[in-house]
Amino acid sequence: QVQLVESGGGVVQPGRSLRVSCAASGFIFSNHAMNWVRQAPGKGLEWVAATSFDGSNKFYADSVKGRFTISRDNSKDTLSLQMNSLRTEDTAVYYCAKDRGVVRASLYFFDYWGQGALVTVSS
Amino acid sequence: DIQMTQSPSSLSASIGDRVTITCRASQSISTYLNWYHQKPGKAPKLLIYSASTLQSGVPSRFSGSGSGTDFTLTISSLQPDDFATYYCQQSSSVPITFGQGTRLDIK
Repeated sequence: QVQLVESGGGVVQPGRSLRVSCAASGFIFSNHAMNWVRQAPGKGLEWVAATSFDGSNKFYADSVKGRFTISRDNSKDTLSLQMNSLRTEDTAVYYCAKDRGVVRASLYFFDYWGQGALVTVSS
Repeated sequence: DIQMTQSPSSLSASIGDRVTITCRASQSISTYLNWYHQKPGKAPKLLIYSASTLQSGVPSRFSGSGSGTDFTLTISSLQPDDFATYYCQQSSSVPITFGQGTRLDIK
């Protein structure tokens, strides 16, 4: 069965960096686009970033563009989000989400989600 | 960016009720509209994609309709497991955007 397991969350000071990762299993990771979606405490869902199946195309929300970098290692079935220059408003649960698209297609909606990694930005 | 607006923001209903949630896009998105629900402390779950296609494993009491800018999610007969927050999401263009959510509570 498909599993997505995030790791790397924690408490970090404003202006510092943090990397969250997502270990995928139960499907052919290299065939599917992947995304990060976040949810601030008590708030709704906000899409953060997307990468195509091979990492050649990447897209970002304006709120994180230039600060966050999405990447993937298809040899290790791992998705990552490098977060630099963190702000208090980046505090959220970060979900890794699999694109519903069939082989190598990006449809930009999500059929499997991880359990989330909590990132708290606070001094 | 395409703005997604859901209504109502919250509603209370009883087991067995028929419930409809609406979602409006700020511009036409054809049928690139998806619905999720989320329970407290859990990840969202995909219910319907492409406006009206039921995701595998989702009960048939859920249905979706609409195209262009106006969409609806209908639950034909509410079950205890359906009390959650519902989100619409457009996949027509990047940035992907979600509605603000509709919280469905037990009356």
